[in-house]
Amino acid sequence: GAGVSQSPSNKVTEKGKDVELRCDPISGHTALYWYRQSLGQGLEFLIYFQGNSAPDKSGLPSDRFSAERTGGSVSTLTIQRTQQEDSAVYLCASSLITMGNSPLHFGNGTRLTVT
Amino acid sequence: AQSVAQPEDQVNVAEGNPLTVKCTYSVSGNPYLFWYVQYPNRGLQFLLKYITGDNLVKGSYGFEAEFNKSQTSFHLKKPSALVSDSALYFCAVGKNQAGTALIFGKGTTLSVSS
Repeated sequence: GAGVSQSPSNKVTEKGKDVELRCDPISGHTALYWYRQSLGQGLEFLIYFQGNSAPDKSGLPSDRFSAERTGGSVSTLTIQRTQQEDSAVYLCASSLITMGNSPLHFGNGTRLTVT
Repeated sequence: AQSVAQPEDQVNVAEGNPLTVKCTYSVSGNPYLFWYVQYPNRGLQFLLKYITGDNLVKGSYGFEAEFNKSQTSFHLKKPSALVSDSALYFCAVGKNQAGTALIFGKGTTLSVSS
């Protein structure tokens, strides 16, 4: 009965380093989403998974960003060669079905700080 | 493409007064509309949604929202605000199409004073 779990909750990294953010969705949820929350920018859509495939990658800001999902469950978001503008809270959400009418269940996010 | 506008960065209201947080949207076809709330240091929580049917939908914590197709709006309302309603509110729009994500607005900070 656990909710969406994200780790780490906080990550501080030096500019130029790679980081991996992890998301454990609610068991049985087929859809998984990554969003980024920056001050004054609201929630920015990054990528969406249906099962292990990503039909919509349109929100990834650059080719430094990538994500994968394995076993229809855990997802990792990887940011290579981090830049200061990557600093934000990265939110993961899952939903039971893939249609646009299914509410999303959000994790508490990973706060990324790039120094 | 879908889009959502929340024209107010901040809404201030006194406790006991009615509150409205505005949202307008743009989407092809029939929209799915949502409100989410983010309390300080907490994750985003689902408040309510409009899929079809009655234009007035009721959600958690006494909140309601009215879908207005002609004005493409989905404003969040509550008859009597509480200090504990102070939070960041997000409006979101989805499409009646598999494999599409919700698009969120930039959020409105609601501050309820005692």
